[in-house]
Amino acid sequence: QPVLTQPPSASASLGASVTLTCTLSSGYSNYKVDWYQQRPGKGPRFVMRVGTGGIVGSKGDGIPDRFSVLGSGLNRYLTIKNIQEEDESDYHCGADHGSGSNFVWVFGGGTKLTVL
Amino acid sequence: QVQLQESGPGLVKPSQTLSLTCTVSGGSISSGGYYWSWIRQHPGKGLEWIGYIYYSGSTYYNPSLKSRVTISVDTSKNQFSLKLSSVTAADTAVYYCARERFNWGQGTLVTVSS
Repeated sequence: QPVLTQPPSASASLGASVTLTCTLSSGYSNYKVDWYQQRPGKGPRFVMRVGTGGIVGSKGDGIPDRFSVLGSGLNRYLTIKNIQEEDESDYHCGADHGSGSNFVWVFGGGTKLTVL
Repeated sequence: QVQLQESGPGLVKPSQTLSLTCTVSGGSISSGGYYWSWIRQHPGKGLEWIGYIYYSGSTYYNPSLKSRVTISVDTSKNQFSLKLSSVTAADTAVYYCARERFNWGQGTLVTVSS
């Protein structure tokens, strides 16, 4: 099963842009990854799914156009433009692997985004 | 819009069974096509998938927890439930229910302590 790696923290100034990275373990370069936003004290919120061709399907409900994704090799990126205070959150990536009795759903350790 | 709400005891004694229920509104579990999951998050840590139940009743569990986990569904109440047996302090976490990746509950903190 894939292992997802995320840097523990990131920061960006109000109005600036930031790109968060989720790295798949070797051998899983064709996997799609889901991004989630988790505001303090809240449950995760689906942002969007990304593969090597970019977004897969639709964004989650209420996700603004400022959020976009890209995929390249083992990396899956979430870019936030014109950062707002409300974007300060933990961002998790996740991927599902296998099917039926071999199914697992794995997550990265999360990146804490601080808005300066 | 589908909404999920976890409920259950916030404190469980070691060696006992943790029991939580997820109530779904704005959509029917039995309408098909989705799997319904339990996920947990240890304090200050990442997310850990516990298992899921398909609308048909089929269940699939994280191998690391499989021996202690049971997930069931009550379509008449539009609820699904989690039971985790023989708990220890390591099971202290916020527990979430979710409809696939799309919709998540707000979570409920369960502390294992005597």
